Amino acid sequence: DAGVIQSPRHEVTEMGQEVTLRCKPISGHDYLFWYRQTMMRGLELLIYFNNNVPIDDSGMPEDRFSAKMPNASFSTLKIQPSEPRDSAVYFCASRSTGVSGNTIYFGEGSWLTVV
Amino acid sequence: AQKVTQAQTEISVVEKEDVTLDCVYETRDTTYYLFWYKQPPSGELVFLIRRNSFDEQNEISGRYSWNFQKSTSSFNFTITASQVVDSAVYFCALLPYNNNDMRFGAGTRLTVKP
Repeated sequence: DAGVIQSPRHEVTEMGQEVTLRCKPISGHDYLFWYRQTMMRGLELLIYFNNNVPIDDSGMPEDRFSAKMPNASFSTLKIQPSEPRDSAVYFCASRSTGVSGNTIYFGEGSWLTVV
Repeated sequence: AQKVTQAQTEISVVEKEDVTLDCVYETRDTTYYLFWYKQPPSGELVFLIRRNSFDEQNEISGRYSWNFQKSTSSFNFTITASQVVDSAVYFCALLPYNNNDMRFGAGTRLTVKP
């Protein structure tokens, strides 16, 4: 079975540019999460969706960050405008509420560098 | 409040040594899940194990074993006969039953030298 798929794996962009990170969750999973990993703060939850609806975005750092989930198989995390302090690894993850639920599976991460 | 503490920042061992990674957690919830994830140098986060708070049975999977003790709020991870491929950062995490905000520890970087 395919895992969580993220793109791009690596992105280098200039300050002020728009960045869009993409995610395809595991088929059948009804929760989707966006995490950010930095040296200073470790892994932190930015936002999560349930059945395509944003449930908790309290972890989104600023209005420059936005996330959407137009359907069950696709989500985006957008940063506009990007700043050097946004440099981090962004992970998408998903889980189901079925029998094997409560395990959150992560994608390979998108490594963002803003210069 | 939920909190996970991995006091060992870095551990270095020689191949074939056994190594234990410590994890201590804090929660007021009576039902919760505990996890271990592995982050190899390539960067992905790999799920290793999930444990439910109502199941304190220890688990063994090949060279990996986990010791869950509610009395001490600990969920330690032991690698027996370590190998170079075990070199990675290992994260312990806590997920309350009725919450989707999984809290991670700071991670332990394990280096296994040949």
